[in-house]
Amino acid sequence: GENVEQHPSTLSVQEGDSAVIKCTYSDSASNYFPWYKQELGKRPQLIIDIRSNVGEKKDQRIAVTLNKTAKHFSLHITETQPEDSAVYFCAATVGGGGNKLTFGTGTQLKVEL
Amino acid sequence: GAGVSQSPRYKVAKRGQDVALRCDPISGHVSLFWYQQALGQGPEFLTYFQNEAQLDKSGLPSDRFFAERPEGSVSTLKIQRTQQEDSAVYLCASSPNGGGDSTDTQYFGPGTRLTVL
Repeated sequence: GENVEQHPSTLSVQEGDSAVIKCTYSDSASNYFPWYKQELGKRPQLIIDIRSNVGEKKDQRIAVTLNKTAKHFSLHITETQPEDSAVYFCAATVGGGGNKLTFGTGTQLKVEL
Repeated sequence: GAGVSQSPRYKVAKRGQDVALRCDPISGHVSLFWYQQALGQGPEFLTYFQNEAQLDKSGLPSDRFFAERPEGSVSTLKIQRTQQEDSAVYLCASSPNGGGDSTDTQYFGPGTRLTVL
């Protein structure tokens, strides 16, 4: 089955700096790659996603890039703010009967003042 | 509109007890998923429903875990004879479509934190 690796596990940046989180996946059939933000004790919330027919997608301060040849995708957050502090999960899905997501192990992002 | 809701939010069970966790998906959503999230880990897939049909239960860790969605809306995850290793947050997610639409966004509920003593 699909395997998703994510790094780093923790990331500390100064407010206003950029943050980059990287993920790799194993199944070349995967075609949908969402990123979720999860604050402590809260539900995972989708922040951005990318489908395999595009290489990059941007939404304000957040961008995701996808390299299908290398089977990796990355989350980029620019001009980080304290409210960006949370755990971020990447995920991938092969699809088929239902699009069950395989998640990475998460990145704890801390934005320091 | 209303998002995915789950109840109870917290459940403490003694080892060996049975528990039932409820998920109310977004109204009209065809697909419903259950995930298990251990402390400090990403969610792991348990099972998937398309309407009332359970099409994938490959992630259920043992035959003590059972899920149902009899009318294609509310779902219940039941764990029999709970063990300490069952302690985790159980997340429910729903998405609008079914039929193997692999790019459908999944919307998560707040989860039920199960603690087995």
